[in-house]
Amino acid sequence: GENVEQHPSTLSVQEGDSAVIKCTYSDSASNYFPWYKQELGKRPQLIIDIRSNVGEKKDQRIAVTLNKTAKHFSLHITETQPEDSAVYFCAASGAGNMLTFGGGTRLMVKP
Amino acid sequence: EAGVAQSPRYKIIEKRQSVAFWCNPISGHATLYWYQQILGQGPKLLIQFQNNGVVDDSQLPKDRFSAERLKGVDSTLKIQPAKLEDSAVYLCASSPPRDRRNTIYFGEGSWLTVV
Repeated sequence: GENVEQHPSTLSVQEGDSAVIKCTYSDSASNYFPWYKQELGKRPQLIIDIRSNVGEKKDQRIAVTLNKTAKHFSLHITETQPEDSAVYFCAASGAGNMLTFGGGTRLMVKP
Repeated sequence: EAGVAQSPRYKIIEKRQSVAFWCNPISGHATLYWYQQILGQGPKLLIQFQNNGVVDDSQLPKDRFSAERLKGVDSTLKIQPAKLEDSAVYLCASSPPRDRRNTIYFGEGSWLTVV
């Protein structure tokens, strides 16, 4: 089955700096890669996603890049704000169209 | 639009006892998922239903976990008997039919503590 690795597990940045979270996946048949944000005690919420026929996608301060050859994808957050502090999960949709999640990255944005 | 509803939100039980969680997906969503999220980890899929049929339950510990979605809407996840390692948040999620992106929408979760 699919295996998703996510790094780093924790990330601390100063407000206004950029944050980058990286994920690798194992199943070359995966074609959908969403990112979820989970605040403490809350449900995971979809923030951005990308399909395998696209190399990059942007939505305001958030962007995701995908390298299918290397089987890795990344989340980029620019001009970070304290409200960006949360746990971020990447995921990949492999065989059977089921999502496999990475282990999560705890992002802390210091004011 | 109402979200995915789950109950109870919190449950504390002793090991070897049983517990059941209920989920009502977003109206019209054919696919329903149960995920287990252990503290500090990503969600792990336990079972996926398409209407009232099981699509995948390969990671469901079938000796103690069971799930059903009899009428293709609500679902129940049961654990019997519970073990200490079952302490986790049980997230129900759903996705609409014919959604090629597999966008899934999570409920708030049911927090289980086994003591």
